[in-house]
Amino acid sequence: AQSVTQLGSHVSVSEGALVLLRCNYSSSVPPYLFWYVQYPNQGLQLLLKYTSAATLVKGINGFEAEFKTRETSFHLTKPSAHMSDAAEYFCAVSQNTGFQKLVFGTGTRLLVSP
Amino acid sequence: SQTIHQWPATLVQPVGSPLSLECTVEGTSNPNLYWYRQAAGRGLQLLFYSVGIGQISSEVPQNLSASRPQDRQFILSSKKLLLSDSGFYLCAWSVPTGSNSPLHFGNGTRLTVT
Repeated sequence: AQSVTQLGSHVSVSEGALVLLRCNYSSSVPPYLFWYVQYPNQGLQLLLKYTSAATLVKGINGFEAEFKTRETSFHLTKPSAHMSDAAEYFCAVSQNTGFQKLVFGTGTRLLVSP
Repeated sequence: SQTIHQWPATLVQPVGSPLSLECTVEGTSNPNLYWYRQAAGRGLQLLFYSVGIGQISSEVPQNLSASRPQDRQFILSSKKLLLSDSGFYLCAWSVPTGSNSPLHFGNGTRLTVT
């Protein structure tokens, strides 16, 4: 079965610094991968998705992620952090069951300091 | 455009009391519907999913049940709540075809069982 692992439950950066949130996947077939963001007491919002087209995927709010087969990774990056980026981020993989069934990582909380 | 509504936003219930959380989707037909639970520090756990009216699949054995009485309505229930049922419950929908379509989440219900 497909799974994802997010390294680091918390990541702290300064405003203006590079954001790097790590996600590694395990899948026996080419995966569909997603990044979601969750602000406090809200649902999850889709940031971006990889569906076997371009390996570099651009999302909303200046985020992007690169799919790397050899490293089995799908890390999320943003060149310059903003205070409003402080939130929890989830990586997810589709189970490829013929309909959408996502398995989520445990999440990484991004803290942004001034 | 499609929208998803979840209510109530917060709920405090005593142990042993019943539960009913409701979720409705607008602007789409025959969506796949999902209930997830988010416990602190544990990511998201898929509880139930449904591909059509009256069709419910349970992912984990538990004290909860789900029903889909109408195409765009999904209900999460319990006859007697346990302390361990506390958590953040998220409803989501996706288009009915394809493993590469994203999930769209409601704003969640914070349930506290006392």
